[in-house]
Amino acid sequence: KQEVTQIPAALSVPEGENLVLNCSFTDSAIYNLQWFRQDPGKGLTSLLLIQSSQREQTSGRLNASLDKSSGRSTLYIAASQPGDSATYLCAVRLGQAGTALIFGKGTTLSVSS
Amino acid sequence: DTEVTQTPKHLVMGMTNKKSLKCEQHMGHRAMYWYKQKAKKPPELMFVYSYEKLSINESVPSRFSPECPNSSLLNLHLHALQPEDSALYLCASSQDGGRARDTQYFGPGTRLTVL
Repeated sequence: KQEVTQIPAALSVPEGENLVLNCSFTDSAIYNLQWFRQDPGKGLTSLLLIQSSQREQTSGRLNASLDKSSGRSTLYIAASQPGDSATYLCAVRLGQAGTALIFGKGTTLSVSS
Repeated sequence: DTEVTQTPKHLVMGMTNKKSLKCEQHMGHRAMYWYKQKAKKPPELMFVYSYEKLSINESVPSRFSPECPNSSLLNLHLHALQPEDSALYLCASSQDGGRARDTQYFGPGTRLTVL
């Protein structure tokens, strides 16, 4: 059974720091991996999706990498801002049409000004 | 437009009530999902509809009844819920043409409280 683990569970950094969030999964037979952001009590916002054949994706200050063979993904946030404070969730998708995501428990990030 | 809408935003109901949650998307997506999220926990899958047919039911109690009237609309009918069913209910959709780049888009959720 696929399990997704995120480390650390919580992270506090001062504004301007670069930081890395980690995600690991037990079964390398994934279809894709998505990183989401969730603000308290709100829905999920998709940040980046990496297909199983890809190694990384970038969007603005965010860069996500994927190493399927080792079952790891990282989300790199450059020059963090207070507005980046949120919970970041990693999720893997196992199959093609209609299959759901399996989520990690998330990393709660707090960026202080 | 990558928007998934959900109504209502908040719902308070008694254990004997019947209510429904609604989810809508106009992106032409053919797969729609219901997830349940308890406080400080990740979302957990409840149901998946693919091309308007129920394809996955993750052993959800029968007091939750999903319905997909058309490709844009997904409902979740609630009856005789328990207080432990209080949670954030999230709807999502994806294109699901079999492409690995298909992204799941989530709605803002309905915050359900069962008294």
